Amino acid sequence: GESVGLHLPTLSVQEGDNSIINCAYSNSASDYFIWYKQESGKGPQFIIDIRSNMDKRQGQRVTVLLNKTVKHLSLQIAATQPGDSAVYFCAEASTGNQFYFGTGTSLTVIP
Amino acid sequence: DTGVSQDPRHKITKRGQNVTFRCDPISEHNRLYWYRQTLGQGPEFLTYFQNEAQLEKSRLLSDRFSAERPKGSFSTLEIQRTEQGDSAMYLCASSWGSGKEKLFFGSGTQLSVL
Repeated sequence: GESVGLHLPTLSVQEGDNSIINCAYSNSASDYFIWYKQESGKGPQFIIDIRSNMDKRQGQRVTVLLNKTVKHLSLQIAATQPGDSAVYFCAEASTGNQFYFGTGTSLTVIP
Repeated sequence: DTGVSQDPRHKITKRGQNVTFRCDPISEHNRLYWYRQTLGQGPEFLTYFQNEAQLEKSRLLSDRFSAERPKGSFSTLEIQRTEQGDSAMYLCASSWGSGKEKLFFGSGTQLSVL
């Protein structure tokens, strides 16, 4: 089966600091990755994605880095805001079209 | 609102009863997914449709679960003879395309089996 894991279950950062959330995956055939943000009582919200032909992709205040050598993915959030407090999931897709999600990291932003 | 819509938002039922959930995907999205999520865990894949065809089903999907997407638009997920272990958030997502594309999720249906 697939294994997508997160290094840290919880992360607390000061408002204005940068946040880094890490994710390890085990399937070397995975070629598409997505980061989702989930707030309490809501469904996961798309943040950013990256395909395996890229190492880095940037969005608004977010950057995703992909290291295929060590099968590691990270999400960087610049100038973290209280509204960024949520659970963050990485998801991977390999063969087929189903996505496998990690356990999630809970990010708390301290004002 | 043009996002993924799920109904109901909450469902409380007694063990042994049947329940049915509905999902309306983003219009024109050809793929529709069902996931299940329990507290503290990431979403687990259940099944997905491309148009009206059910293309993949997880081994997690027991015979008590059935999903349909008869006209390639909305979908229903039915759970027969519910068990307490079925208590979870049931999430629907949709996407557009023929390859791997990002999923857009609804807010889910929270099922509690008493």
